[in-house]
Amino acid sequence: EAGVTQFPSHSVIEKGQTVTLRCDPISGHDNLYWYRRVMGKEIKFLLHFVKESKQDESGMPNNRFLAERTGGTYSTLKVQPAELEDSGVYFCASSQDWASSDTQYFGPGTRLTVL
Amino acid sequence: GEDVEQSLFLSVREGDSSVINCTYTDSSSTYLYWYKQEPGAGLQLLTYIFSNMDMKQDQRLTVLLNKKDKHLSLRIADTQTGDSAIYFCAESFSGGYQKVTFGIGTKLQVIP
Repeated sequence: EAGVTQFPSHSVIEKGQTVTLRCDPISGHDNLYWYRRVMGKEIKFLLHFVKESKQDESGMPNNRFLAERTGGTYSTLKVQPAELEDSGVYFCASSQDWASSDTQYFGPGTRLTVL
Repeated sequence: GEDVEQSLFLSVREGDSSVINCTYTDSSSTYLYWYKQEPGAGLQLLTYIFSNMDMKQDQRLTVLLNKKDKHLSLRIADTQTGDSAIYFCAESFSGGYQKVTFGIGTKLQVIP
């Protein structure tokens, strides 16, 4: 069974540009999460989808970040316009069942560098 | 509040035991996790423990939980060079909502 995949693995953009990160969860997993690790800091929660609905987006830093999960399968996270402080590693995770104690399975992350 | 703290760095000799410590602040945490991140790789769930347990053992890994002191530790027996990685302590809450709160990560260096 394929794990969580993320694309691209690395992205280098200039301040003011737009970047879109993609996450493909494990097939059949209703829950999809985005996290971010800024260098030297903790991995921080960004938001949580249950199928196509945003269950919790309390961790989204500001309105330059837009996450979507059309059809309840893969998700995209768009940063527009990107700022220097957006640099970091963006992790996606998925888990199977809303009500259970199912663990989250993480992807390899996308390393975003904003110059 | 949500806060997970762990030391930044640990160095051990190959064959010795490693003990990585973590403290957390939220007593309502139900699940406590240890994740491993190898260079260039994603986060791999190593093990987890429910808050109503004191200890969990899985091969070379032993997790100890002191709920009173909100202290979690991960012991790796017979540490190997392949164990060199960053280890993240993490917690999540009950009720089906699985937002995970992470510590900053402890970098384990195994010296041959």
